[in-house]
Amino acid sequence: EAGVAQSPRYKIIEKRQSVAFWCNPISGHATLYWYQQILGQGPKLLIQFQNNGVVDDSQLPKDRFSAERLKGVDSTLKIQPAKLEDSAVYLCASSPLAGLASGEQYFGPGTRLTVT
Amino acid sequence: AQSVTQLDSQVPVFEEAPVELRCNYSSSVSVYLFWYVQYPNQGLQLLLKYLSGSTLVESINGFEAEFNKSQTSFHLRKPSVHISDTAEYFCAVSHYNAGNMLTFGGGTRLMVKP
Repeated sequence: EAGVAQSPRYKIIEKRQSVAFWCNPISGHATLYWYQQILGQGPKLLIQFQNNGVVDDSQLPKDRFSAERLKGVDSTLKIQPAKLEDSAVYLCASSPLAGLASGEQYFGPGTRLTVT
Repeated sequence: AQSVTQLDSQVPVFEEAPVELRCNYSSSVSVYLFWYVQYPNQGLQLLLKYLSGSTLVESINGFEAEFNKSQTSFHLRKPSVHISDTAEYFCAVSHYNAGNMLTFGGGTRLMVKP
């Protein structure tokens, strides 16, 4: 089966610009996650969707970050305006509903964002 | 709240030598424990997990980890590493009722040298 797809793979922008990342989860996976991974650190959850509803967005900086999952499939994560500290790899992951208790999440390759 | 500490940011080791990557966690409730691996230029992949039952869990490529509740640890071991094991390894926990949300450690870079 096809894995989690993300685009773009790399993005360089100037501070105060806006940027959007796209994620296509594994077909049939109800749950979708966005993580931020700053260099030298482990991934940090930004937001979790179940179908098209938000389960948890407590760590999403809502003044500048937004995310949506239209029709419960693809998702976009937007940053507007970007700051230097947003430079990181943004990971998308998905899991089937039945896998919620097992902890298994399937990760995409990530989008590396550099803010200059 | 829960947290994960990976005590070593980098572990250099020669090929065919044994290795242990350390992971400690803190949580006020029961947790599930995981090791994920990230090979160069690839996404994170699940390596092994502990949900319940036997405290020793194994992966298909020779890694094993042991859940130690009294020491709140979940160290990853391999008796003989290969060059292809070079990667970043992340320990993670989730809470039974937390909707599968993972809390990751900072990662350990395993560097296998010939």
